Amino acid sequence: KAGVTQTPRYLIKTRGQQVTLSCSPISGHRSVSWYQQTPGQGLQFLFEYFSETQRNKGNFPGRFSGRQFSNSRSEMNVSTLELGDSALYLCASSPSGTGVEKLFFGSGTQLSVL
Amino acid sequence: DQQVKQNSPSLSVQEGRISILNCDYTNSMFDYFLWYKKYPAEGPTFLISISSIKDKNEDGRFTVFLNKSAKHLSLHIVPSQPGDSAVYFCAAQTLAASYDKVIFGPGTSLSVIP
Repeated sequence: KAGVTQTPRYLIKTRGQQVTLSCSPISGHRSVSWYQQTPGQGLQFLFEYFSETQRNKGNFPGRFSGRQFSNSRSEMNVSTLELGDSALYLCASSPSGTGVEKLFFGSGTQLSVL
Repeated sequence: DQQVKQNSPSLSVQEGRISILNCDYTNSMFDYFLWYKKYPAEGPTFLISISSIKDKNEDGRFTVFLNKSAKHLSLHIVPSQPGDSAVYFCAAQTLAASYDKVIFGPGTSLSVIP
């Protein structure tokens, strides 16, 4: 079974631009979560999608948005980029996102904002 | 306010000795606690979990201990191996809602010295 695939692996953007990151979950997994990893902060929860619906959202500004398609693939978008948005963005999938399920993470997209 | 804390950013241990990684939490409503391991340039992978109704869970060289009264858990790795060198994230989850996000701590970087 293929793992969680995130594209692109690296991105360099400048302040004010917008960016779209993509995540393909493990086949059969319907829940997709997004996390931001920065040094010293660990993994900060952005949002979770299930069946194209956002079920939970973290404490991030509205510049961060996401969506999920009918095939469970997900995208997240960051508009009006700021220097502080530089981070590793991780996507994780799980079968249903209910109960206690292991999260399966992709390798992440490293975003650098200059 | 960080609900899951890992107060040691880094830890160095000799090969063959015990590694003890600590985690504290503030929310007494957490139902499950999980440990994830992350190598550079890879996403985190699930390692071991423990229910809040238990005080110990063991899986091979890895044991997690939970002290609910102290809101503290620890991961013991015995014996430590160089391949265990990675960042370890403590995480917690409640089961009150149909979906609840997994909350991660900031991580502890473990170096096992040959």
